[in-house]
Amino acid sequence: DVKVTQSSRYLVKRTGEKVFLECVQDMDHENMFWYRQDPGLGLRLIYFSYDVKMKEKGDIPEGYSVSREKKERFSLILESASTNQTSMYLCASSSSGTGNEKLFFGSGTQLSVL
Amino acid sequence: AQSVSQHNHHVILSEAASLELGCNYSYGGTVNLFWYVQYPGQHLQLLLKYFSGDPLVKGIKGFEAEFIKSKFSFNLRKPSVQWSDTAEYFCAVKAIGRRALTFGSGTRLQVQP
Repeated sequence: DVKVTQSSRYLVKRTGEKVFLECVQDMDHENMFWYRQDPGLGLRLIYFSYDVKMKEKGDIPEGYSVSREKKERFSLILESASTNQTSMYLCASSSSGTGNEKLFFGSGTQLSVL
Repeated sequence: AQSVSQHNHHVILSEAASLELGCNYSYGGTVNLFWYVQYPGQHLQLLLKYFSGDPLVKGIKGFEAEFIKSKFSFNLRKPSVQWSDTAEYFCAVKAIGRRALTFGSGTRLQVQP
């Protein structure tokens, strides 16, 4: 089974801190994604990456950046955390190619910014 | 840009009742469509998907969905729900040529025994 592992299940940070969320997948997937999940808003795409060192902005990239130095690891960075970034962050991965659009999700990181 | 609307935010049903959850998308071109489910305390997982062919697709646990192109809809159905179907359900769309899925706001289903 594909495994997508997020480094922290719960995280509490202070306003202005730099925050790193880590995600690792073990199935050699080309694509990796960061979504945030908020009640009533569903999942919204922050950033995604389709190859090492390649990244594309999603629908809500403001206040975030990403890093993909190795194929298996995709990091989400909050440069200066703010209270409106309190959310559940979900990492996902998928293989490229038609018919391979199934996303495999991690268990999520609940981030609270105080 | 692609977008997805799920009109039912919270649905409460009794066991054995029939279920239909609405999903409409907005995109003029060819799309792939998905339903994902998140059971309490678990990861999001794929319930079913439509790529092409028969517009009626069957997924896991007795769920099915029908793609109606003229209505831009992909509604999820189950003839008889069980308590274990209590979960949040997300519709998602991916335009051909795009890499990422766009999700709807989700529908929380509560099945009462």
